[in-house]
Amino acid sequence: AQKVTQAQTEISVVEKEDVTLDCVYETRDTTYYLFWYKQPPSGELVFLIRRNSFDEQNEISGRYSWNFQKSTSSFNFTITASQVVDSAVYFCALSGGGTGTASKLTFGTGTRLQVTL
Amino acid sequence: NAGVTQTPKFRILKIGQSMTLQCTQDMNHNYMYWYRQDPGMGLKLIYYSVGAGITDKGEVPNGYNVSRSTTEDFPLRLELAAPSQTSVYFCASSYPDSHEQYFGPGTRLTVT
Repeated sequence: AQKVTQAQTEISVVEKEDVTLDCVYETRDTTYYLFWYKQPPSGELVFLIRRNSFDEQNEISGRYSWNFQKSTSSFNFTITASQVVDSAVYFCALSGGGTGTASKLTFGTGTRLQVTL
Repeated sequence: NAGVTQTPKFRILKIGQSMTLQCTQDMNHNYMYWYRQDPGMGLKLIYYSVGAGITDKGEVPNGYNVSRSTTEDFPLRLELAAPSQTSVYFCASSYPDSHEQYFGPGTRLTVT
């Protein structure tokens, strides 16, 4: 069985602070994919990033960066210089199996990020 | 492309009523999924389909039925609505060679 744990229920920061959202996962699959989604107050799900289990190279995209470590089964997400528009619920998700298999996502319970002025 | 569309956006049902949540995608994706999101929680998989005529259960299928007669459409049926089915329902789709799912805007359902 797959499991995704987001231990941080809610985080509050002041604008321009850096913030890291934690994600720990469990899976028996040797091939799997990890995702981060953003859910703003409007309710839609916004895809942020996908990582496969063979690619541990960390990535930076603008103010976003991701730290994938298989040794600790973690896939953490950092926002640098946070902005009020970053306020949302962030979900980490896991999908097991290789290409050609159905992507049955297992979601964490989400971390609510509140950025204030 | 419109992507993944869902109708209705909102619905209130009485206990015991039935309804169908519609989902359509125009990206020619083989794989389609239905999830539910309860308040303060992550999404949970209800049913999924890998192609027309093929469906399978996810983590929380009880109380729901699905069908997949075309590549584009994947309706979700609630036969006897119960308060426990109050939730936001998301439909998604993906290509077979990609695990990246494209989500619809969601349907907010309240059963009273």
